[in-house]
Amino acid sequence: AQSVTQLDSHVSVSEGTPVLLRCNYSSSYSPSLFWYVQHPNKGLQLLLKYTSAATLVKGINGFEAEFKKSETSFHLTKPSAHMSDAAEYFCVVSVWRGYSTLTFGKGTMLLVSP
Amino acid sequence: DGGITQSPKYLFRKEGQNVTLSCEQNLNHDAMYWYRQDPGQGLRLIYYSQIVNDFQKGDIAEGYSVSREKKESFPLTVTSAQKNPTAFYLCATEGGGETQYFGPGTRLLVL
Repeated sequence: AQSVTQLDSHVSVSEGTPVLLRCNYSSSYSPSLFWYVQHPNKGLQLLLKYTSAATLVKGINGFEAEFKKSETSFHLTKPSAHMSDAAEYFCVVSVWRGYSTLTFGKGTMLLVSP
Repeated sequence: DGGITQSPKYLFRKEGQNVTLSCEQNLNHDAMYWYRQDPGQGLRLIYYSQIVNDFQKGDIAEGYSVSREKKESFPLTVTSAQKNPTAFYLCATEGGGETQYFGPGTRLLVL
């Protein structure tokens, strides 16, 4: 079985300051890990994906995440927040069982103030 | 969103009524999925289909039904047996490599 814990339900930052969204996971298998972003009343957009290649993964819009197996973490970072980054972010673990089984965290709402 | 469309954007259901949510894709992906999203929770899998004319129940299939008659289409019916249908419904596709791509969603409300 796999599970995902997003450690903060809300994170508030000022525009231009760094962003850190924390995610811990557990999985009985070697998982693939994803971060998705969701703006209000919209679908989920893929930010980045880890699949056992480089441990530091670069995504869209300046986001990146580091896979740390020893800490079972996959935290999402961005050096400088922009107002348009305000949205909900989901950490997701996937295990392949002939089809992809996704387990979602409960989400972290990122608030960006001017 | 890309090549995945969901309609309608908002849907209202009366008591005892069945309603159908549409999901269409032009990505030529074999696998399609339906998820339900409730406030403060992640997504939960309702049904999935890996190939035409085949589909499997997910974690919360009770009160829902699907069909997969064409590769491009995977409609979801919310039946009257689903007692708490108010939610945001998301369709996704996967074309290999475990990455799922999501449609824009349908918000279902009960009158």
